[in-house]
Amino acid sequence: EVQLVESGGGLVKPGGSLRLSCAASGFTFSSYSMNWVRQAPGKGLEWVSSISSSSSYIYYADSVKGRFTISRDNAKNSLYLQMNSLRAEDTAVYYCARGLELDPWGQGTLVTVSS
Amino acid sequence: SYELTQPPSVSVSPGQTARITCSGDALPKKYAYWYQQKSGQAPVLVIYEDSKRPSGIPERFSGSSSGTMATLTISGAQVEDEADYYCYSTDSSGNHRGVFGGGTKLTVL
Repeated sequence: EVQLVESGGGLVKPGGSLRLSCAASGFTFSSYSMNWVRQAPGKGLEWVSSISSSSSYIYYADSVKGRFTISRDNAKNSLYLQMNSLRAEDTAVYYCARGLELDPWGQGTLVTVSS
Repeated sequence: SYELTQPPSVSVSPGQTARITCSGDALPKKYAYWYQQKSGQAPVLVIYEDSKRPSGIPERFSGSSSGTMATLTISGAQVEDEADYYCYSTDSSGNHRGVFGGGTKLTVL
């Protein structure tokens, strides 16, 4: 069974940092691009970042460029999102999703940025 | 920045056909994808590459795309189809950044 499990969310103060992880299982992780998508409370989906299978190509939304860094470790079947200089508007559930089709998604991890 | 536009809400009675549209300037060149999100759950892919249906998705879900508009059609909508639906695509510049539509709340009652 294909499974994605996010972790690392929590409460952080404005200006702080957090590192999210996404553990993949049930498929050949190294063959797929991966994505981070977030959803603020009561709001719609926002694409955050994507990374190609070999990490050669990386893309960011303008809203996080320069503050967030996506990375992956194919040996550990894991995807990461390093989030620095966090703002209140970064408060959201963060999902990882597989491939160009964004299928499947993990259950999400909640990041709350508040003083 | 590139945007995809969806109606905020669509309402149908059970058994009727629901159509949700998504407009974007790059859709003639880029595929559209559709996701269903029920309350408190992660999104689920229901249509990919404009019109293909993943395994396990009921046949009543179909997709099409023409010009700058993609459409998700639910033929014979069921009460359990009530959810938020999002279209997704990438912009047509070289940077392959993703973009979601604002979402459409489908009410079936």
